[in-house]
Amino acid sequence: DVKVTQSSRYLVKRTGEKVFLECVQDMDHENMFWYRQDPGLGLRLIYFSYDVKMKEKGDIPEGYSVSREKKERFSLILESASTNQTSMYLCASSPVHRGSNTEAFFGQGTRLTVV
Amino acid sequence: AQKITQTQPGMFVQEKEAVTLDCTYDTSDPSYGLFWYKQPSSGEMIFLIYQGSYDQQNATEGRYSLNFQKARKSANLVISASQLGDSAMYFCAMRDGYGQNFVFGPGTRLSVLP
Repeated sequence: DVKVTQSSRYLVKRTGEKVFLECVQDMDHENMFWYRQDPGLGLRLIYFSYDVKMKEKGDIPEGYSVSREKKERFSLILESASTNQTSMYLCASSPVHRGSNTEAFFGQGTRLTVV
Repeated sequence: AQKITQTQPGMFVQEKEAVTLDCTYDTSDPSYGLFWYKQPSSGEMIFLIYQGSYDQQNATEGRYSLNFQKARKSANLVISASQLGDSAMYFCAMRDGYGQNFVFGPGTRLSVLP
């Protein structure tokens, strides 16, 4: 059974803390993604990575950074957490898009609250 | 630029009836894929159905079908014989050849009434 696993289901952090969200996939996918989900806004792309050590900014990268040292692991880092980063964070992975069905597989999500 | 529009923030449907969730998209790439995902209250994203831009027939998966109208850039999800377990958020998404990422719409919350 294919799997994308996020390290935490729920997190509560204090303002100013450095926060690490970890994501691991076991499908040998090239692409990995971090999305943020807020009501009425859908899923917005923070960063994605198409290979080890490669990353590209998405629509809302400010306040976030990422790390991909190994193909199976993609980490999202909040350098200094703020209350406006309270949200649901979803990690996903997919094969390279080559014109056929290459769906994204999602982790269970991490609901982060910054107090 | 890629964009997905879902104009229905919320929908109600009676159990056992059919329902259509709207999705329109915008891309200039002739090669793209359209996806629908379901997100129950538990939060996981469940892939439902896929339609490729060159597919000649509308995609179907069990009770789900995709009404693909290419000229109108429309990819509506049809759920037949609704069940109470269909109550969830539904997201339309697109992936085209310009990038490897997925663009999502804002979602539609479907509530199935007994």
